[in-house]
Amino acid sequence: GAGVSQSPSNKVTEKGKDVELRCDPISGHTALYWYRQSLGQGLEFLIYFQGNSAPDKSGLPSDRFSAERTGGSVSTLTIQRTQQEDSAVYLCASSSVAGGAYEQYFGPGTRLTVT
Amino acid sequence: GIQVEQSPPDLILQEGANSTLRCNFSDSVNNLQWFHQNPWGQLINLFYIPSGTKQNGRLSATTVATERYSLLYISSSQTTDSGVYFCAVSPSGSARQLTFGSGTQLTVLP
Repeated sequence: GAGVSQSPSNKVTEKGKDVELRCDPISGHTALYWYRQSLGQGLEFLIYFQGNSAPDKSGLPSDRFSAERTGGSVSTLTIQRTQQEDSAVYLCASSSVAGGAYEQYFGPGTRLTVT
Repeated sequence: GIQVEQSPPDLILQEGANSTLRCNFSDSVNNLQWFHQNPWGQLINLFYIPSGTKQNGRLSATTVATERYSLLYISSSQTTDSGVYFCAVSPSGSARQLTFGSGTQLTVLP
């Protein structure tokens, strides 16, 4: 079946603007994760959704970052009032929880550049 | 939080050589994955291996959970194996979010 998809693949925005990044997980996967990859910080966890439970937001770097997941499927990561340090590749992953295995599969990422 | 250390940070090989990449982690884990990040940035799943040994073609991996390390073996390397290899773990009792090591940059020369 189809893998994790993300859109847009690239986004250039001006400092201070808001951006929305979208993730479509693998069909049937109930767990969804956002990470970001930047030169200075490597790959870091942002937020985790599992079914109808409250999301784990412990990795969000500031209150300018938020995410939602509608209908247990598609997720949107929103960054308000973007700053240059937000420039990074934002990666989405999903996993099934069947059988206690949580192998995560990653999408191709959205490259965000804040000018 | 859990610490993940990968070694070596850089590795240059001639095509056909074998290599071993290491991942040390600081706490017990319920998830350990190895990934290959290709030149286009895509993370490719290699192994889901919180414990034990697995093999897939020229690649194999072993995790010794009690000693908190994992090894990735690449045999008969090819130029297409070049890229960054990441180890990522989630600590036992966590919500399964992954903590990544800093990666091993592998270059295979023709």
